[in-house]
Amino acid sequence: AQTVTQSQPEMSVQEAETVTLSCTYDTSENNYYLFWYKQPPSRQMILVIRQEAYKQQNATENRFSVNFQKAAKSFSLKISDSQLGDTAMYFCAFPDLEYNAGNNRKLIWGLGTSLAVNP
Amino acid sequence: EAQVTQNPRYLITVTGKKLTVTCSQNMNHEYMSWYRQDPGLGLRQIYYSMNVEVTDKGDVPEGYKVSRKEKRNFPLILESPSPNQTSLYFCASSYQVLYEQYFGPGTRLTVT
Repeated sequence: AQTVTQSQPEMSVQEAETVTLSCTYDTSENNYYLFWYKQPPSRQMILVIRQEAYKQQNATENRFSVNFQKAAKSFSLKISDSQLGDTAMYFCAFPDLEYNAGNNRKLIWGLGTSLAVNP
Repeated sequence: EAQVTQNPRYLITVTGKKLTVTCSQNMNHEYMSWYRQDPGLGLRQIYYSMNVEVTDKGDVPEGYKVSRKEKRNFPLILESPSPNQTSLYFCASSYQVLYEQYFGPGTRLTVT
């Protein structure tokens, strides 16, 4: 079964510093996407960044970047120059690719990392 | 503006009173999904739809119904709500199931 593991339930960082959130996953597929979502106190789920597994280059979106290690099945999120508005739950997710008659077509989600950015 | 809308945003109801949470997207997405989010359990899929008139059960479908008569709309129906359905509900859509999903703002449901 495909799984996603976020091993850090809670993290904190000082404003303007850099923090890395970890995510590992398990799949036997080669081509897929990986996603990081952010859920601030407003509860809105917001896509932060997307990585295409067939691309060797790590994705970057402004202060957010990923360290994608395909062989190790690791997909960590780095937040640079942390801001108070980055305080949120962060979820790692990827599509369920091992589809068969007993499975759902869905994203598989980690349980999240709660990040607090302190002033 | 590309978006997924849900209504209502907040709802307090009583056990057994049928309710519908509406979901609409304006991105012409084929795939739509409903999730519930509970503390410590993460996001769990309730139902999903691959296209118009194509729906299927997710991980926790008991007590819920859905329909997909139009591409843009995917309502969630609770025929006889119970207190264990108190939760935060999200509707999401994507171009295809393998791509990123875009979420509605969430519906906070309380069943007393």
